[in-house]
Amino acid sequence: SQQGEEDPQALSIQEGENATMNCSYKTSINNLQWYRQNSGRGLVHLILIRSNEREKHSGRLRVTLDTSKKSSSLLITASRAADTASYFCATDAGAGGTSYGKLTFGQGTILTVHP
Amino acid sequence: AAGVIQSPRHLIKEKRETATLKCYPIPRHDTVYWYQQGPGQDPQFLISFYEKMQSDKGSIPDRFSAQQFSDYHSELNMSSLELGDSALYFCASSFYSEAFFGQGTRLTVV
Repeated sequence: SQQGEEDPQALSIQEGENATMNCSYKTSINNLQWYRQNSGRGLVHLILIRSNEREKHSGRLRVTLDTSKKSSSLLITASRAADTASYFCATDAGAGGTSYGKLTFGQGTILTVHP
Repeated sequence: AAGVIQSPRHLIKEKRETATLKCYPIPRHDTVYWYQQGPGQDPQFLISFYEKMQSDKGSIPDRFSAQQFSDYHSELNMSSLELGDSALYFCASSFYSEAFFGQGTRLTVV
C-alpha cells in the first residue's frame, strides 16, 4: 500500500531556479524523511523532520511539515544540474515508536535541472 | 566514512533458481532493513532485523527469507525466482537515527 503521494511526478527547471516538491501521506507519523536517488543508484538520505517539527534547513534544502494536512514539501534553492535525480519522501509510522528505517516511500518526483 | 556495503552489485539468475544477497551495515549499527524497488517503482519495505532478531515484516514473499548474523551482517535468500523478482534490492542500516542505504543489488531474473 502507498503511504505517500508526491507531486509533481516530474519537474523540469533551469539551473538557478528553485524546485519545490510536495508529499502527502495518510497516517500519523513519527518522522518524515527525504531521499534522493540518481538513476538506478542508491538512496541518499537528505533530511529528517520529526512530527513535532515544522521546518528544517540543510544547506540549500528546506523541508516543511504540516501534520494537520499530512503533507510535507522539499524546496531546493538555486538548483544545479547535479541536483538532477529522483526525490522520494518516506514516512516512519511505526506503531511502536520511531523505527527510522522501516519507511513507506512515496512515488517520487523526477527532477531535471537544465544547465 | 564507512557506508552500507551490499554484494553483489549485479546478479543475473534464471527462473526457479536461488539467489543470496548480502548486506554489511555501517559499524555499530544494530538494525538492518531490506527493500525491493521494481522498475519505475518506489522502494517497498521487505523485512528488518534488530540485534539479530526479526523486528518487522513487510511485503516479503514466502519464497524469501532473511537473517542477521552475530557480526550484524544480513543475508536475503530468495528461492524459486520469478521474472517479477527482477528489481533493485536495497539494504539499509541505522542506530537510533536515520537509515543509511547501500548502493543496492540489481537482480535480473531471466
